[in-house]
Order: sequence, then C-alpha cells, then structure tokens
Amino acid sequence: KQEVTQIPAALSVPEGENLVLNCSFTDSAIYNLQWFRQDPGKGLTSLLLIQSSQREQTSGRLNASLDKSSGRSTLYIAASQPGDSATYLCAVNFGNEKLTFGTGTRLTIIP
Amino acid sequence: DAGVIQSPRHEVTEMGQEVTLRCKPISGHDYLFWYRQTMMRGLELLIYFNNNVPIDDSGMPEDRFSAKMPNASFSTLKIQPSEPRDSAVYFCASSLGRGGEQYFGPGTRLTVT
Repeated sequence: KQEVTQIPAALSVPEGENLVLNCSFTDSAIYNLQWFRQDPGKGLTSLLLIQSSQREQTSGRLNASLDKSSGRSTLYIAASQPGDSATYLCAVNFGNEKLTFGTGTRLTIIP
Repeated sequence: DAGVIQSPRHEVTEMGQEVTLRCKPISGHDYLFWYRQTMMRGLELLIYFNNNVPIDDSGMPEDRFSAKMPNASFSTLKIQPSEPRDSAVYFCASSLGRGGEQYFGPGTRLTVT
C-alpha cells in the first residue's frame, strides 16, 4: 500500500530559526511530490512541486528536496517568521494523478 | 485568475436531505479533483476528472455520492441522502496536464445533523 508519513505531528520553534519538515513515502516510483500549507479553517496553498527527476526546488525562503531511493522529502524553511505558523502537508503523486497526503506537521513559530 | 471557486462555503443540513456542492476550476485546467478532509481520515481523494470525463471514482464512499462535470468550467458533488458521518470539509482542486500542480479551492464545510 502506498503511504505517506509526516513526523513529527507538531513542532514549535523560536522565530528566526531555520527548520526542516520531514516526509516519507513507501513507494519510490513516484511521479512528483507537492508541499502545501493549510491555515486553520482554510484551504490548501501549494508551496512547491518537485518532479521525480528533480533533487530540489526553491521558492523564496523555502527549499524542498527529494530523495526517491530513500523515500524521503524535506521542506526547509529559512529564517522562520510567525506568519509561517500553519499545518504543512506533503502529498505524493504515485503516477495515477491521485495525491496521497500525509497527516501533516503543525508548525508554530514562537515570537 | 480567481482560482478555484467553491460554493457554498458552509452547508448545514438534516440527515436524509440532498446536498449539492459546486466547483468552478481554474480556466484552462483539464483535471478536476474532489477531496474530503476529516480529523479521523485526513485528506482523501473521492473522484477525479480529465477533460470532463470521470477517470477514477474508487474513493467515492458509496452510492449515495455522485459527481458530474457537464462542462470544463463546472462540476458538482452530490450526496443523497446525507448522513451525519458525511460531515467534513470537501475540497475541489484543479490542475493542468498530467502531473500538474494542483490548486485547491477554499472548501465547503458540510455539517449533517
């Protein structure tokens, strides 16, 4: 069964610190992987899409890496800000257009 | 572009009633997805369309659920009859091309009493 796991479920860090969020998946034959953020009571905002042929993607203070062989992706957030507080979701397209989501990491940035 | 548009944003209904959720994808996108989010099960794909044709409905929980896409700019998800366990947030998303980045709407929060 194709599964996506995100650990930890929650993370708190002081403002200004760099941090890494983790995502692991059970099947290395992925098509692509997408990172989202979700604010409470809101929809999902796409942050980065990384194709299976790519090792990393960057957007502003965000950097996503992909290691298919180990079944892992990380989302690096530099110089964290209180506005970064949200739930971050990792979603994998295993080649059938369907996104399989992890359960998310709830991030709190402490001012 | 206004992004993916969903209506209504909130729906409260009584058990047994019919519920219709609506979605307008981003113009030009050829894939449309319906997801459901609950605390217990997280985000789950219900059904997706490509060029208005349903491709995979294996996530639709049961026959009470149906989805249509009569044209490229409109889709509906219908629940008839509704049950309390259908209470959830329903999201619509759209994308362009195979493996394209998916863009989500704001969701419809459904409460069935």
